[in-house]
Amino acid sequence: DTGVSQDPRHKITKRGQNVTFRCDPISEHNRLYWYRQTLGQGPEFLTYFQNEAQLEKSRLLSDRFSAERPKGSFSTLEIQRTEQGDSAMYLCASSLVVRNYGYTFGSGTRLTVV
Amino acid sequence: EDQVTQSPEALRLQEGESSSLNCSYTVSGLRGLFWYRQDPGKGPEFLFTLYSAGEEKEKERLKATLTKKESFLHITAPKPEDSATYLCAVPEPKTRTNFGNEKLTFGTGTRLTIIP
Repeated sequence: DTGVSQDPRHKITKRGQNVTFRCDPISEHNRLYWYRQTLGQGPEFLTYFQNEAQLEKSRLLSDRFSAERPKGSFSTLEIQRTEQGDSAMYLCASSLVVRNYGYTFGSGTRLTVV
Repeated sequence: EDQVTQSPEALRLQEGESSSLNCSYTVSGLRGLFWYRQDPGKGPEFLFTLYSAGEEKEKERLKATLTKKESFLHITAPKPEDSATYLCAVPEPKTRTNFGNEKLTFGTGTRLTIIP
């Protein structure tokens, strides 16, 4: 297993367009997280899944954002009607419930809305 | 709401010049603290988890310590490859049995530059 994979690495989109990102976690990890990071800031929690169940969403996540994790494997994060303020690095991470070694993050998807 | 504050925002050191990074937190009960390293354009990389005041962990030139209100990341005789942003974070567990695997609140990081 090569770790957490995210696709695409970079995405440039026009304002108002929809975008979708994919995350493939470490296969034995049952928890999956999405974070957003802007320049000079730490990652900010968006949502997380245990298996296929979405357990929590940040109140910062507007209705334009939706995340899924069908069958408890990969996850997608969709942003509808993108705005310039959505420009950020979107990070995915995975972990096991019973092991306290922290998250394993992917390399992220850099979104630029023009 | 849990708060995490890191200082300094940026630190430039000569190679071999030891120093410390600070992470202070306000949480309703100590549930542990995480340190991560982040290189430009990459996701954070896990370094340490500290669970209780007085605990210390080491990895190569890095040593993390924890008190009841803050954590320090000590870097001894750093090399240019230690240049990165160092992030600390605290967990917000729903239950004690889920400790360490719930959402994390991150600080803004310390950008460390080691000059050859």
